[in-house]
Amino acid sequence: DAGVTQSPTHLIKTRGQQVTLRCSPISGHKSVSWYQQVLGQGPQFIFQYYEKEERGRGNFPDRFSARQFPNYSSELNVNALLLGDSALYLCASSLQSGDQYFGPGTRLTVL
Amino acid sequence: AQSVTQLGSHVSVSEGALVLLRCNYSSSVPPYLFWYVQYPNQGLQLLLKYTSAATLVKGINGFEAEFKKSETSFHLTKPSAHMSDAAEYFCAVSGRGDGGFKTIFGAGTRLFVKA
Repeated sequence: DAGVTQSPTHLIKTRGQQVTLRCSPISGHKSVSWYQQVLGQGPQFIFQYYEKEERGRGNFPDRFSARQFPNYSSELNVNALLLGDSALYLCASSLQSGDQYFGPGTRLTVL
Repeated sequence: AQSVTQLGSHVSVSEGALVLLRCNYSSSVPPYLFWYVQYPNQGLQLLLKYTSAATLVKGINGFEAEFKKSETSFHLTKPSAHMSDAAEYFCAVSGRGDGGFKTIFGAGTRLFVKA
């Protein structure tokens, strides 16, 4: 079975732009979580979605938003990009609130 | 509120030596605790988890961790380090708190293994 997939792998944007990151969970998994990992730090929790409903939110500004689709895939949107948004964005899927399986991440660079 | 503290941002051991990576947590509810490993330019891989069953948890690649409620600790150990164990290790706590269900990660400990 395919693992968690994320696209794109790498992305370069300029300040003020908007970006959309995509995640496809493992087949059968209904929960998707998003994390931001700044270089040299641990992942920071952004959102968790389960059955298309937001179930958890971390301490991120409203510029960050997400949604989950009927097929359980998910998008993370970030508006008005700042230099500090440069990071590895990780997606994880799980059955509900169980073991999380992480994708390889999307490396976002904001110039 | 939940939090995780990993003691030591870098740990260096010789091949064949004991690996000990320290993690202390804070949680207002019974926690789920995890250890993940991250190799360069890759996502995170689950090593093991504690979910209120046995306090000594065995994971993959010979790693294990012991949940000690009195010490609020969940330290990761491996009896004999291999070169392939060199990576970044993250301790995490999951549970329901402010803002709903979330997973909080520690800052990570980079393990170096010397030949």
